[in-house]
Amino acid sequence: AQSVTQLDSQVPVFEEAPVELRCNYSSSVSVYLFWYVQYPNQGLQLLLKYLSGSTLVESINGFEAEFNKSQTSFHLRKPSVHISDTAEYFCAVSDSSASKIIFGSGTRLSIRP
Amino acid sequence: DAMVIQNPRYQVTQFGKPVTLSCSQTLNHNVMYWYQQKSSQAPKLLFHYYDKDFNNEADTPDNFQSRRPNTSFCFLDIRSPGLGDAAMYLCATSTALAGRGETQYFGPGTRLLVL
Repeated sequence: AQSVTQLDSQVPVFEEAPVELRCNYSSSVSVYLFWYVQYPNQGLQLLLKYLSGSTLVESINGFEAEFNKSQTSFHLRKPSVHISDTAEYFCAVSDSSASKIIFGSGTRLSIRP
Repeated sequence: DAMVIQNPRYQVTQFGKPVTLSCSQTLNHNVMYWYQQKSSQAPKLLFHYYDKDFNNEADTPDNFQSRRPNTSFCFLDIRSPGLGDAAMYLCATSTALAGRGETQYFGPGTRLLVL
């Protein structure tokens, strides 16, 4: 069975500092991995996803995540955060046998000026 | 712009009084999902439709029902809301099921308050 673990429920950082949000998964088959972002009082929106190929995937707003099969991780990073990045970030997993995706419990990123 | 629309954004109901939440999409996607999200928790899938085929999650209470009269609309009916049903309800769509790595497109959610 699939599962996703987000180790940090909250991550406070200063503006322009780097950040890493951690995500580990378990799955018995090849996986698809996602990061969704939820801004306050809004629905979720896809930030980036890994399906196959290059293990490093990037978003349009400077985030990137690296698929590490040996460590079963898909950590999200940004070299310099902005106040507008304040949101909740959800890691998620599915695989070729799945009819749904499994979400992690989320990490709340708060940016201090 | 193509999108997922949820109405209303906020809904207040009384304990035990039936309530219906609505979702519409202009994306023409085959799959529509309903999630329940409680504060600081992951979205929890209640059920989904693939076209007209309804798929209920095993742990979704019988109190929750859904209807999809056409491709564009999907409704969530809560027959007798309890205090524990107060949550954000999210509708999402995708072109295919998750087994192909499809992106899900979410509406803004309806926040339900039960008095």
